[in-house]
Amino acid sequence: DAGVIQSPRHEVTEMGQEVTLRCKPISGHDYLFWYRQTMMRGLELLIYFNNNVPIDDSGMPEDRFSAKMPNASFSTLKIQPSEPRDSAVYFCASSFEEGYEQYFGPGTRLTVT
Amino acid sequence: EDQVTQSPEALRLQEGESSSLNCSYTVSGLRGLFWYRQDPGKGPEFLFTLYSAGEEKEKERLKATLTKKESFLHITAPKPEDSATYLCAAYNAGNNRKLIWGLGTSLAVNP
Repeated sequence: DAGVIQSPRHEVTEMGQEVTLRCKPISGHDYLFWYRQTMMRGLELLIYFNNNVPIDDSGMPEDRFSAKMPNASFSTLKIQPSEPRDSAVYFCASSFEEGYEQYFGPGTRLTVT
Repeated sequence: EDQVTQSPEALRLQEGESSSLNCSYTVSGLRGLFWYRQDPGKGPEFLFTLYSAGEEKEKERLKATLTKKESFLHITAPKPEDSATYLCAAYNAGNNRKLIWGLGTSLAVNP
């Protein structure tokens, strides 16, 4: 398996623009997670899905953030409008079962100027 | 409140100098303690899962152990390629089911 795939790897955008991050989980994994990582706060869980259904979105910082999982092999995280404080590395991860190890993608480094 | 604390924040070792990283946790309904390795510019890479106090797991120069309050990652005779950030996370199987992450220990091994 190719592992978790994320795109783009780097995104530089201006404040106010819409940003869409993409993720393809490992085939057969029923759980998909979106994280944000910063030096100050470490890894923060934003939202996770089970069988394409959002289970917990309590980590989504504001209404500007939204996530979808239209099918088992694709998910998006959208920020609209983006702000400089959204600059971070965003990771997607997937796992076979709840409470099992999660496998991470390479991340998307987002810079909002 | 569920919390995971890692120490030290940074550690510099000479090649061959063994040491341990600490992960202290206060998590209700713990159902797994995870260790990950993260290299710069990459996503965390899974290393170990420990489920019960007294459990130990090994992989090459790394050995992870678990007690009721903390976990240790022992590094024996480290090499420069062991340089990375090591993250631990505790899984809360209670009402708020999620992984609680520590901030990591940045390890540098000098040749």
